[in-house]
Amino acid sequence: SQTIHQWPATLVQPVGSPLSLECTVEGTSNPNLYWYRQAAGRGLQLLFYSVGIGQISSEVPQNLSASRPQDRQFILSSKKLLLSDSGFYLCAWSDPGEGFFGQGTRLTVV
Amino acid sequence: QKEVEQDPGPLSVPEGAIVSLNCTYSNSAFQYFMWYRQYSRKGPELLMYTYSSGNKEDGRFTAQVDKSSKYISLFIRDSQPSDSATYLCAMFRAQKLVFGQGTRLTINP
Repeated sequence: SQTIHQWPATLVQPVGSPLSLECTVEGTSNPNLYWYRQAAGRGLQLLFYSVGIGQISSEVPQNLSASRPQDRQFILSSKKLLLSDSGFYLCAWSDPGEGFFGQGTRLTVV
Repeated sequence: QKEVEQDPGPLSVPEGAIVSLNCTYSNSAFQYFMWYRQYSRKGPELLMYTYSSGNKEDGRFTAQVDKSSKYISLFIRDSQPSDSATYLCAMFRAQKLVFGQGTRLTINP
C-alpha cells in the first residue's frame, strides 16, 4: 500500500533562517506531488505541484521554492524565512484525482 | 472569484441529525471530486471520491455530484460526536488538486 512520510512534525525557526521540509512517498511510481499551506482555520492553499522529476509548477509567488530530485521525493525550501511563512505545511500525492496527505509540519517563525 | 466555494460555517448540529455539506465550483474542467475530513492539527483524510454525476454511498456517508449545476454535496446520516471535524471538498483538474475553504462541523451529544 502507498504511504507518505513528512517530517519534521513541528519546527520553530528564527526569521532569516533557511528551511527544508522533506516529503517521501512509498508504494507508487510517478505520482503527482503537492505542497500546501494551511493558515489557522483556513483552507488549503496550493503552493507547488510536480508531475515528474525536476518538474515544478508554482502557484503563488512567494519566499518559498520546491524541488523534486527523485521520483518519490518532494522538498520545500526557503533561503530566508519570514514571519508570514508560519503555518501548517502539508505534502500530498495523487494518482491522479484522489489525493493522500502526510501528517503535516507545523512551522512557527519567530 | 475562487474556483471552489465552500461555506466555512461553523455548523453545529445535535447527535443523530443528518448533516449536509456543500461546495460549488466555477470551472467545468474539474474531473474528480473528493471530500476530506480533518481533525485538529492533523493532515486531511480522504473520505469519499467520485468521478461522475450522481450519488456514491459509503456507510453513513453519501457524496453527491451534479456537474450540470457545478455543485457537490456530502451527507452524513446518524451523525456522531466523533464526526466533529473540518470537512473539505476538493476537485482535480489538469494535475491540480484544488480545495474549498473547509466547513467546521460540531456534533453535540
